[in-house]
Amino acid sequence: GDQVKQSPSALSLQEGTNSALRCNFSIATTTVQWFLQNPRGSLMNLFYLVPGTKENGRLKSTFNSKESYSTLHIRDAQLEDSGTYFCAAERASSFSKLVFGQGTSLSVVP
Amino acid sequence: EAGVTQSPRYAVLQEGQAVSFWCDPISGHDTLYWYQQPRDQGPQLLVYFRDEAVIDNSQLPSDRFSAVRPKGTNSTLKIQSAKQGDTATYLCASRGQGSNERLFFGHGTKLSVL
Repeated sequence: GDQVKQSPSALSLQEGTNSALRCNFSIATTTVQWFLQNPRGSLMNLFYLVPGTKENGRLKSTFNSKESYSTLHIRDAQLEDSGTYFCAAERASSFSKLVFGQGTSLSVVP
Repeated sequence: EAGVTQSPRYAVLQEGQAVSFWCDPISGHDTLYWYQQPRDQGPQLLVYFRDEAVIDNSQLPSDRFSAVRPKGTNSTLKIQSAKQGDTATYLCASRGQGSNERLFFGHGTKLSVL
């Protein structure tokens, strides 16, 4: 339901620009994972986060457990970054139960 | 290392028919999940297992859906009498133990109920 809210729901970026996606949690969350679903439907794991920040190439993600949100920053967007980005929250009260947001659909254009 | 394997890739049914989905998780992963993803929505948890035990099936429509993982490895999700509202992609995912265990998904089974 509304336990994990993602924003924006859709986004169009020009190649080479930067952007940030956000997840807000209304449930106590211990860890967060970010995924990219490509146009063919495959889900790829981008990050596994405990509170803190991780970086991988042009992607950087932060999880702030005290303020109940996570962000995914995309730097120098490329055409292959297009797809739907999902965050998933692991609930503090239910170990291993992962609740997904509704996703952010990203389109990178030339 | 082999990923999560699902079969079939596609299924088309008439309402009232039964269908089974099969999942082989990554070797050594003790936790296995089944998610339902309707078109243009996020994955919604149906059931998950740790080894052969069901941990949470509260979102599984128990009158028509069932899931088993008898030996703690492969798993089967079955829909007894499909409805049009079951049209979705059914995703299997697995993760291992430890403090840094990512969730890995299979390619999914795309189900259309006519």
